[in-house]
Amino acid sequence: DIRMTQSPASLSASLGETVNIECLASEDIYSDLAWYQQKPGKSPQLLIYNANSLQNGVPSRFSGSGSGTQYSLKINSLQSEDVATYFCQQYNNYPLTFGSGTKLEIK
Amino acid sequence: EVQLQQSGAELVRPGTSVKLSCKVSGDTIIAYYMHFVKQRPGQGLEWIGRIDPEDDSTKYAKKFKNKATLTADTSSNTAYLKLSSLTSEDTATYFCTLQKLGPSGYFDFWGPGTMVTVSS
Repeated sequence: DIRMTQSPASLSASLGETVNIECLASEDIYSDLAWYQQKPGKSPQLLIYNANSLQNGVPSRFSGSGSGTQYSLKINSLQSEDVATYFCQQYNNYPLTFGSGTKLEIK
Repeated sequence: EVQLQQSGAELVRPGTSVKLSCKVSGDTIIAYYMHFVKQRPGQGLEWIGRIDPEDDSTKYAKKFKNKATLTADTSSNTAYLKLSSLTSEDTATYFCTLQKLGPSGYFDFWGPGTMVTVSS
């Protein structure tokens, strides 16, 4: 199974700041990586797919990058509505696996 | 607009089974693979398995091979997750989610989740 190591586990930042969340795969996943946002009590929502493609309707302050085993999600100009937990997911190989999540709070 | 409607919360006894449903509206279910994902309280996401409703072919995570059974009914645009021999470890929210047909395995649409509580 491909292991997804996500960091940090939690993050506190000020409004307007830029934050980065990292995901490290245990083997090359060839950019088969998605990022999801999950707000408290809600289901996850797709933000990014294919490592760097923005899902329709997602604000452009979200961006994804990376290749091989290393990937990151960047959020520019942090807004209050960005408070959530963020998960990465690889789909290069079954079983599909997720990172452990990053809980983002506003300072 | 594609929407997923999941069945209501369940309180079930240890050792029994439960069958959860997920109905697709806004499109035909055979245009997608249907996946189910488990989330224990305050924890991360765990992939259970997926079904291709057109031919009923399935894939499961090894951990869920003897725990979960996925089925689909194309006439009602609905997929089902049956969980057997329930224990407290199965207490969780279960999400259904859709992946467009093709090689990609990311999830475009998610249901609101069904909370299952296993307790005597």
